[in-house]
Amino acid sequence: AQSVTQLGSHVSVSEGALVLLRCNYSSSVPPYLFWYVQYPNQGLQLLLKYTSAATLVKGINGFEAEFKKSETSFHLTKPSAHMSDAAEYFCAVVNSGYALNFGKGTSLLVTP
Amino acid sequence: EAGVTQSPTHLIKTRGQQATLRCSPISGHTSVYWYQQALGLGLQFLLWYDEGEERNRGNFPPRFSGRQFPNYSSELNVNALELEDSALYLCASSPRDRAPNTQYFGPGTRLTVL
Repeated sequence: AQSVTQLGSHVSVSEGALVLLRCNYSSSVPPYLFWYVQYPNQGLQLLLKYTSAATLVKGINGFEAEFKKSETSFHLTKPSAHMSDAAEYFCAVVNSGYALNFGKGTSLLVTP
Repeated sequence: EAGVTQSPTHLIKTRGQQATLRCSPISGHTSVYWYQQALGLGLQFLLWYDEGEERNRGNFPPRFSGRQFPNYSSELNVNALELEDSALYLCASSPRDRAPNTQYFGPGTRLTVL
């Protein structure tokens, strides 16, 4: 089964600093990968997705992720953090039967 | 375009009761997915419905069941509620396609079992 591992349950960055949230996948086939964000007491919002069309994927709110097969990684980055980026971020991979298999999530804290 | 909607927002039940949660997908989407987000357990896949049929099921007991109606809306039923069923239940929808499609999520139903 395809799975993802998110390294770091909590990440703290200063406003204006680089955001890097790590995700490694395990898959025997080319994976479909996603990043979602969850704000407090809300559902999940899609940030971006990888479907093998391009290795560098640009998403909403200035986020992007690069698919690296050699490293089995799909890390999420943003050049400059805003206070409004504080949220829980989930990496996910499509499993058999089209179900999403989520990582445990990374809580991003942005300090002034 | 309206997003995925879920009702109720909050639901409080006691142990042993039954809970019914509802989901309306984005217009044009035929697939509906249910996920459970419980404290400490993360997001776990529950059920997938497409064109009125159950297509896939996660590792949950049979007391978790559901159905999809002809208008593609869906219901999740949880029977014989247990304290550990307390969680945020998220519904997602996607258009029908051969490739795995992006799943768009609703705001969720917070179920509390006392």
